[in-house]
Amino acid sequence: AQSVTQPDIHITVSEGASLELRCNYSYGATPYLFWYVQSPGQGLQLLLKYFSGDTLVQGIKGFEAEFKRSQSSFNLRKPSVHWSDAAEYFCAVFLSGGYNKLIFGAGTRLAVHP
Amino acid sequence: GAGVSQSPSNKVTEKGKDVELRCDPISGHTALYWYRQSLGQGLEFLIYFQGNSAPDKSGLPSDRFSAERTGGSVSTLTIQRTQQEDSAVYLCASSVGLTNTGELFFGEGSRLTVL
Repeated sequence: AQSVTQPDIHITVSEGASLELRCNYSYGATPYLFWYVQSPGQGLQLLLKYFSGDTLVQGIKGFEAEFKRSQSSFNLRKPSVHWSDAAEYFCAVFLSGGYNKLIFGAGTRLAVHP
Repeated sequence: GAGVSQSPSNKVTEKGKDVELRCDPISGHTALYWYRQSLGQGLEFLIYFQGNSAPDKSGLPSDRFSAERTGGSVSTLTIQRTQQEDSAVYLCASSVGLTNTGELFFGEGSRLTVL
């Protein structure tokens, strides 16, 4: 069955430190992959997406993610975290071909220490 | 408005009551989704509407849950005889349709608390 796994439920980093949030997916076909961010009291906002082509994609707020087919991964990275990045991050895979639904991981909650 | 609008933003109800949650998608978006986000959980797919096609109801957790979409626009999610386990944030999202590549635009959600 198709699934998305985010192994880290909660991560704490210091402001200015680098960040990597892990995401693994299980899907037979070439996936469309997404990272969304949910800040406290706000709706989900798209950070970045991968459809095809260059496996390193850039997103908003200085985030990037790399698609690695061999590892079935789509990890999110940021070289220097800001306090405002504290939020919950969701990885998602879009199931096309008649399914047309976005399947989300359980999320990773990021806390940023000053 | 320019975004997906949901109402009410907060709803407190007693166990056994029925509730209706409304979603107004972005104008021109033919695809509409409902998700449920429970405390500490990811987003659980509930139902998907595409234009005038029959909806994909595969995610609805029980027959107490139903949804409709009138005129291809506004959608209402109805929960009958609410239970405490129905307490969650219900998120609506829309997108441009069948040719879309999965980018969904989300509303801010309706937080349901069942006492």
